[in-house]
Parts: sequence; structure tokens; C-alpha cells
Amino acid sequence: AQSVAQPEDQVNVAEGNPLTVKCTYSVSGNPYLFWYVQYPNRGLQFLLKYITGDNLVKGSYGFEAEFNKSQTSFHLKKPSALVSDSALYFCAVRDSSGGYQKVTFGTGTKLQVIP
Amino acid sequence: EAQVTQNPRYLITVTGKKLTVTCSQNMNHEYMSWYRQDPGLGLRQIYYSMNVEVTDKGDVPEGYKVSRKEKRNFPLILESPSPNQTSLYFCASSLWGQGPYEQYFGPGTRLTVT
Repeated sequence: AQSVAQPEDQVNVAEGNPLTVKCTYSVSGNPYLFWYVQYPNRGLQFLLKYITGDNLVKGSYGFEAEFNKSQTSFHLKKPSALVSDSALYFCAVRDSSGGYQKVTFGTGTKLQVIP
Repeated sequence: EAQVTQNPRYLITVTGKKLTVTCSQNMNHEYMSWYRQDPGLGLRQIYYSMNVEVTDKGDVPEGYKVSRKEKRNFPLILESPSPNQTSLYFCASSLWGQGPYEQYFGPGTRLTVT
């Protein structure tokens, strides 16, 4: 079985400060990891993914994420937060083991950037 | 424009009245999926499909049916809706290569069952 944990329901950060949204995962094989963002009354939008290769992944809107295999984490980061980054963020995982097609999402973290 | 469309966007119905939520994508994606979003529970996968006529259960399939007769369409069927199926539903699609890649999501369907 695979699982994802987003330990913080909400993260508050001042505009201009760095932000981190945490995600940990559990899979049997190697993970495929994703971050998505949901703005109010909208569907989810893809931000970035880790499939293989460099542990630091860069994505849309200046976001990046660091894959840490030993800590089974994939935290989302941004050096300088914008008020427009305020949204709901979801981490998702898929086990790369052969034949496994389900995608599991976390419960989401609400990011509030304070002006 | 590449997109996933869902209809209807809003639906209020009564217990037991069969309904279908349509989903269509224009990106020729192999993988399609339905999710429900509930407060505090995040997104949970209902059903997914790897290609035409190939579907499988996600984590919360009870009370739902799907079909994939054409590559672009993946309707979600609730044959006898109940109040606990009140939720926000999302359809998504992606390419498939040894597994799904990043998914493109529809705008959502807010369903209320009374």
C-alpha cells in the first residue's frame, strides 16, 4: 500500500519570506511524487514532479521541491512567498512498482501568505 | 486549448435518483481518473482507467460506476445516490508510460444529495 502525509493543515508565512510545505510518503518500490495547487473554486493545477534523477526539482511559479529518500520526504519550497501563492497545496504519490496505477493524495495544506 | 471538461458543474439531487457526471479530455490521454474531495480528507481516488475498456477501482469505489468506451470520455455514474456521496468531484487525465504522469484536472462538479 502507498500513503502520503501532509502534517500541517495550514501554514502561515509573511510575504517575502521563504516557505515550506511538508510532505512525507510511503511506498513499496520507488516513488513518483507530485505537487499540485488548488486556488479557490478551481480544479487542481500541476506544479512539479519527481520521477528520477536530481533530488531538487524545479517547477512552476518559482516553486521547487527536494526529494529525500532516507527521510521519505518531498517538501515544497519557495525562496520568497507572494500573497498570490495563498492556496491549497496537495502532495501525491504513485508507487513505481510494476502494475501499480493508483495515485494517492495527501489531505492538503492551506498556505496563507500574509501581506 | 488542452482541457478536461466536466458536466454539470453543480448538481442537486435526491436520494436514489440515478445520475451521470460526464468527463471529456481533448489531449489523447490514456489515463483518466475520478476523485472526490472532502474537507479534511483531501482527494480520494474513486476509479481510474488506463485505456479504453480498462478500468479499475480506486480507494473509495463503493456506490459508483464508470465506463470507458471512448478514449476521450470517462463518465461517472451514481446509480442510487445517497447523502454521503455529497462531495466535490474531479475528473483528471494524464499520459501513461509505466504509470500516470502529471494529471490535468477538470473544474469540478459539486454534488449535493438530499
